[in-house]
Amino acid sequence: KAGVTQTPRYLIKTRGQQVTLSCSPISGHRSVSWYQQTPGQGLQFLFEYFSETQRNKGNFPGRFSGRQFSNSRSEMNVSTLELGDSALYLCASSFAALLRINNEQFFGPGTRLTVL
Amino acid sequence: GQQLNQSPQSMFIQEGEDVSMNCTSSSIFNTWLWYKQDPGEGPVLLIALYKAGELTSNGRLTAQFGITRKDSFLNISASIPSDVGIYFCAGQLPQGAQKLVFGQGTRLTINP
Repeated sequence: KAGVTQTPRYLIKTRGQQVTLSCSPISGHRSVSWYQQTPGQGLQFLFEYFSETQRNKGNFPGRFSGRQFSNSRSEMNVSTLELGDSALYLCASSFAALLRINNEQFFGPGTRLTVL
Repeated sequence: GQQLNQSPQSMFIQEGEDVSMNCTSSSIFNTWLWYKQDPGEGPVLLIALYKAGELTSNGRLTAQFGITRKDSFLNISASIPSDVGIYFCAGQLPQGAQKLVFGQGTRLTINP
């Protein structure tokens, strides 16, 4: 069974640009969550999508948005990039909605975004 | 935002030693999770804890959900070289948001 895949793996952008990251969950999984990982702030939850609906959202500005398609693939968009947006962006998939009992979450390898 | 205090931040041990790390918070959590992250990879779930007082083992790993619901610990017995990596705790808040809050991580280094 293929794992969670994220594309691209590496990305370099300049301030003010926008970026779209993609996540393909494990086949059959309907929940996709996005996280930002930085050395200073650690791992922070961005949002979760389940059956094409955003269920939960972390404390990030509106420049961070996402969506989920009918095949459960998800995209995350960051507009008007800032230097501080440089980070490893991780997505994770699970069969049921986030943190239901015995509902394990599997992470992808991440997309490393560098903003210059 | 919500914070989990994870300690120690780093550990340097000899192969074969036991390891202990913990997370504490001023907030109550519904769920505690422990992850391990290798360089260039995403975190991998090691143990999930869903009830206060719960003690769960996964091979050489043992974790407990504190009775106050504000803390959790992870123990690794008889460490081996492949245990090297960064270990994260994560907690789920009981409020409706269901978001996960992560600790800052414990970097484990093992001297053979």
